[in-house]
Amino acid sequence: GEDVEQSLFLSVREGDSSVINCTYTDSSSTYLYWYKQEPGAGLQLLTYIFSNMDMKQDQRLTVLLNKKDKHLSLRIADTQTGDSAIYFCAESPQTGANNLFFGTGTRLTVIP
Amino acid sequence: ETGVTQSPTHLIKTRGQQVTLRCSSQSGHNTVSWYQQALGQGPQFIFQYYREEENGRGNFPPRFSGLQFPNYSSELNVNALELDDSALYLCASTKGLGSPSTDTQYFGPGTRLTVL
Repeated sequence: GEDVEQSLFLSVREGDSSVINCTYTDSSSTYLYWYKQEPGAGLQLLTYIFSNMDMKQDQRLTVLLNKKDKHLSLRIADTQTGDSAIYFCAESPQTGANNLFFGTGTRLTVIP
Repeated sequence: ETGVTQSPTHLIKTRGQQVTLRCSSQSGHNTVSWYQQALGQGPQFIFQYYREEENGRGNFPPRFSGLQFPNYSSELNVNALELDDSALYLCASTKGLGSPSTDTQYFGPGTRLTVL
């Protein structure tokens, strides 16, 4: 079955870059996603990448995908205190929005 | 805000009871998915409804059931509650079953269920 793993915690100083890593097991994944969850809130889709891409950039966010190693990363440039949240990596083994498999989440703490 | 609403916000039940959680999807969305998020864990897919029919189910027992109504709002029902059912229940809506570039999944704020 699908397994998505992330490190649990990351602390960075305001203004530095954050890199959140994720590994997954399902080689048939077609889309990989990054979601953000703030306290008391639902999940907010930050970005996604199709499995035939290596990189995607969206403003301060850069997603890198190493399909051979099944490794996904999210880089946040110029990290701000408002970026403090839990970040989830998720994969979808088929086209469509159902059957998302989430990692356990990485809690990012930004130190002023 | 995503336009997906859930009710109630919080709920406390005792073991063996039954619970119904509700979700109103974003306008124009005909697909609703439900997820269970235990404390400190990522969300786990329970099931999805598309145009009032179940369209996929995760590894959850039959005491987890659902409905989708003609206006595409949805209910999650859990019978015979167990302590391990304590979690945040999230619903998400999309306007179809296509790719995320056209059918972004929008999540509601969740219902926190506590089973004593």
